[in-house]
Amino acid sequence: QVQLQESGPGLVKPSETLSLTCTVSGGSISSYYWSWIRQPPGKGLEWIGYIHYSGSTNYNPSLKSRLTISVDRSNNQFSLKLTSVAAADTAVYYCARHRPGYIGYQDYWGQGTLVTVSS
Amino acid sequence: EIVLTQSPGTLSLSPGERATLSCRASQSVSSYLAWYQLKPGQGPRLLIYDASNRATGIPARFSGSGSGTDFTLTISSLEPEDFAVYYCQQRSSWPFTFGPGTKVDI
Repeated sequence: QVQLQESGPGLVKPSETLSLTCTVSGGSISSYYWSWIRQPPGKGLEWIGYIHYSGSTNYNPSLKSRLTISVDRSNNQFSLKLTSVAAADTAVYYCARHRPGYIGYQDYWGQGTLVTVSS
Repeated sequence: EIVLTQSPGTLSLSPGERATLSCRASQSVSSYLAWYQLKPGQGPRLLIYDASNRATGIPARFSGSGSGTDFTLTISSLEPEDFAVYYCQQRSSWPFTFGPGTKVDI
């Protein structure tokens, strides 16, 4: 059974960089697409971006200037870096796997991790 | 960006009743629409993809229909574990987007 687990600081100061890692277990990161999605408190879900195991990426235009998503195949992980954060970046951050053959449908998800941006 | 709207915002029902949730897109998404269930402390669960296909392990009481701009998720007979928030999501164009959700509560 594939499992995903987000990890990283739960508190980030304004203007600093938010960094999260998603560790994939029970299966290989290879041959799949992987996503980061977030949900601010009391709001809806927002797609951040996704990456192929080969390293090709697609970023939400609203975040593109601040965003880097990368993959580490040797450790079965992929990561998110979001620079110059503000209070609006406070959210539960989820990592997820795209259903094979269907870019855009996520069949496995992490449980999410809350990141608060505050001084 | 394609905007998805969901109605109603909240649906108050009892176990055993039928739930009908709607999702409307600001432009056609063909059949490229999914439904997810979200419970507190968990990641979303894929229920339906491509508008009407049940994902692996999803009970038959969940069904989806629609195409173009209007979609429906139906839960034929609510079980206690079905009380949650449901989101529609399109993958027709990037960035993929979600609706605001419908809460199904008791």
